[in-house]
Amino acid sequence: DVKVTQSSRYLVKRTGEKVFLECVQDMDHENMFWYRQDPGLGLRLIYFSYDVKMKEKGDIPEGYSVSREKKERFSLILESASTNQTSMYLCATTAQGGVRSSYEQYFGPGTRLTVT
Amino acid sequence: GESVGLHLPTLSVQEGDNSIINCAYSNSASDYFIWYKQESGKGPQFIIDIRSNMDKRQGQRVTVLLNKTVKHLSLQIAATQPGDSAVYFCAESIYNAGNMLTFGGGTRLMVKP
Repeated sequence: DVKVTQSSRYLVKRTGEKVFLECVQDMDHENMFWYRQDPGLGLRLIYFSYDVKMKEKGDIPEGYSVSREKKERFSLILESASTNQTSMYLCATTAQGGVRSSYEQYFGPGTRLTVT
Repeated sequence: GESVGLHLPTLSVQEGDNSIINCAYSNSASDYFIWYKQESGKGPQFIIDIRSNMDKRQGQRVTVLLNKTVKHLSLQIAATQPGDSAVYFCAESIYNAGNMLTFGGGTRLMVKP
């Protein structure tokens, strides 16, 4: 089974703090994604990465950055946390496309971040 | 921009009844669709997927129906059980464009005993 882990389940930070959210997967998947989930808005893509040291902006990258130094690890960084970044953050991973018949994304359990 | 949406934000059903969760999509270029289930405190889990060359696909107790004419997707759950209580998301993608998914807002399914 694919296992996607996130460093924290719950996190409380103050406005202006730098925040690191870590995601690790054990299936050697090429693609990794960071989403935020807010009531009524579903999952919105922040950033994604197709390979080590590669990153692409998603739909809502403002206020965030990412780092992919190793294939199994994808970090989401909030340079200066703000209250509107209070949300559930979900990491996902999937293998490279092509011969795969499915683009199923495997999700971690989520990190609920509160910025006060 | 293009988006995926849901008609009903909350659906309440009696245990043992069948459930139908609906989803409307607006991107006519989308050709791949997935349903996810998210239980409280967990990340979304894959339920079933369907490509646009099909209009129906069945899994264990679940069926996905795709109507490309009206851009409508539905998830049918047979003999709904308390363990089916969760939020269900549909997601759309363009299959050959990579692994990008656009998610809908979600529908909460509540199963009454």
